Amino acid sequence: EAGVVQSPRYKIIEKKQPVAFWCNPISGHNTLYWYRQNLGQGPELLIRYENEEAVDDSQLPKDRFSAERLKGVDSTLKIQPAELGDSAVYLCASSSQGGETQYFGPGTRLLVL
Amino acid sequence: SQQGEEDPQALSIQEGENATMNCSYKTSINNLQWYRQNSGRGLVHLILIRSNEREKHSGRLRVTLDTSKKSSSLLITASRAADTASYFCATDPRTSGSRLTFGEGTQLTVNP
Repeated sequence: EAGVVQSPRYKIIEKKQPVAFWCNPISGHNTLYWYRQNLGQGPELLIRYENEEAVDDSQLPKDRFSAERLKGVDSTLKIQPAELGDSAVYLCASSSQGGETQYFGPGTRLLVL
Repeated sequence: SQQGEEDPQALSIQEGENATMNCSYKTSINNLQWYRQNSGRGLVHLILIRSNEREKHSGRLRVTLDTSKKSSSLLITASRAADTASYFCATDPRTSGSRLTFGEGTQLTVNP
């Protein structure tokens, strides 16, 4: 069984540029999560989807961050414009509906210069 | 914000020794989970303990939970160099559905 797939694995951009991350969850997993992990910290939830509905986006900085999961499968997280403080690892995870265990992708490491 | 706090922040031991990591949290929980993260990789789920359980085992892992003290510990017995990783506890609070709140992690180094 394929795990959670994320791309790209690494991204270096200049501040004020846009950037997008893509995630394909484990097949059949209804719930998808985007996390941000700063260096030396644990992951912090940005947004959670149940199918195509964002059910928890309270921690998503909506002035510059957006996300979509149009068909309830893969998802894209976008930052526009990026700031220096956005440098972090962006992790995607998925779980089955009602599942308590989350399965993480390898993450996208973003560096904003 | 991080609810869980792991202790110690870093731990260095020799192969074959046991490693104990502790986690404290603040609010009532449905369950507490431990995850491992190897350098540059995603997190891998290790074990889940529910609020009505006190101890759970999985292979070389032993997790305890004390809800009265709002704390948990993860014991790795007979450690191996491959156990070198960061270990995070994550709490599933009663009121927030599936939102896991992670601690800052313990960096474990097992020296061969």
